[in-house]
Amino acid sequence: AQKITQTQPGMFVQEKEAVTLDCTYDTSDPSYGLFWYKQPSSGEMIFLIYQGSYDQQNATEGRYSLNFQKARKSANLVISASQLGDSAMYFCAMTGFNDYKLSFGAGTTVTVRA
Amino acid sequence: DAGVTQSPTHLIKTRGQHVTLRCSPISGHKSVSWYQQVLGQGPQFIFQYYEKEERGRGNFPDRFSARQFPNYSSELNVNALLLGDSALYLCASSSDRLLGGVEQFFGPGTRLTVL
Repeated sequence: AQKITQTQPGMFVQEKEAVTLDCTYDTSDPSYGLFWYKQPSSGEMIFLIYQGSYDQQNATEGRYSLNFQKARKSANLVISASQLGDSAMYFCAMTGFNDYKLSFGAGTTVTVRA
Repeated sequence: DAGVTQSPTHLIKTRGQHVTLRCSPISGHKSVSWYQQVLGQGPQFIFQYYEKEERGRGNFPDRFSARQFPNYSSELNVNALLLGDSALYLCASSSDRLLGGVEQFFGPGTRLTVL
């Protein structure tokens, strides 16, 4: 079983600044994948970035980067140069490599101020 | 290419009624999963169907059922609706049954309100 913890219910960030969203996880699977999704008010879950547990380097996708610290079981998302369109709910999720479902955290609401 | 589609977008039902939600996966994807997202929480896994068979089930009562059709589209059925069933129901498709390293693509969801 996997458990995801996101301790920041809401965050405010100034436009063009960077923001870090925390995610810690717990699992008994030796191999697993970590995901970050963005959910705007429309409701659709938008995939942002993926990190495999055996990946040697931290994942990056444009303005998104994942700060993966395996020993600490953390997978924080960093959004650089925030834009107004980044205002949304952000979810951290994980799955075991031989699993068929995603386990999600409670999410963090990000509000970008002009 | 079209993404994952879901219908209807919104739905209002009363307690005790039955509801059917529909999902069409991305073309070529054989796996469809259903998630329930209650307001203010993260999505919770309900079912996965792969190649028309149920491959996984979350901790939901038997009032929840689903099926997958030969074209890989899927229906989620909920009987005897309760107020607590009010939620956003998300459908996701993927190319494989196992998700390690495989992205799940989500649809826009169906917002169900039970009065």
